[in-house]
Amino acid sequence: DAKTTQPNSMESNEEEPVHLPCNHSTISGTDYIHWYRQLPSQGPEYVIHGLTSNVNNRMASLAIAEDRKSSTLILHRATLRDAAVYYCILRDVGGGADGLTFGKGTHLIIQP
Amino acid sequence: EPEVTQTPSHQVTQMGQEVILRCVPISNHLYFYWYRQILGQKVEFLVSFYNNEISEKSEIFDDQFSVERPDGSNFTLKIRSTKLEDSAMYFCASRRTIRPTDTQYFGPGTRLTVL
Repeated sequence: DAKTTQPNSMESNEEEPVHLPCNHSTISGTDYIHWYRQLPSQGPEYVIHGLTSNVNNRMASLAIAEDRKSSTLILHRATLRDAAVYYCILRDVGGGADGLTFGKGTHLIIQP
Repeated sequence: EPEVTQTPSHQVTQMGQEVILRCVPISNHLYFYWYRQILGQKVEFLVSFYNNEISEKSEIFDDQFSVERPDGSNFTLKIRSTKLEDSAMYFCASRRTIRPTDTQYFGPGTRLTVL
């Protein structure tokens, strides 16, 4: 899987939007961009994924740069429950049953 | 909503002992995974399993480790002779299809402590 770069930590206030960046300058045309998060003392959980177009689901939005070398996970209105480590992971379309390659992620701190 | 379950939640063992960590994947899923996370470090892939055989394994997954799907519901990770450095959270995950857009669902983990 291609490498991704994320800030080590970010802080935001409750009920405000949060923009979590991810750089993936070596992304290939067949890489999907996946985001997972890990709440304290829990297993990772899926958040969202995309290929080229921006995506929205009930948890978040994913904004993908036109050149696909970066993406941003957007939490529209952060709650205390969103405090977690967020991982940006690239998955090749031909990856088959390959496991996910986690980096260190971004530790999101939410202030009340 | 269906979920991946793991037992036990915490396992304490003596160095050199064998341990078996158990997982029940989501019922219609076909691909199964084990990951580990040493305290304070990143989540690391160990092994993937499909159609009763290992699909891929990492360098961490050496001869001390083995996986098995003994029946239609359980998926197990065995560590034959535990070492102190095996102390970690172990997460099981499952996935329904091989499509790259299909997500992995993780269990809550088993904390393994080797004394």
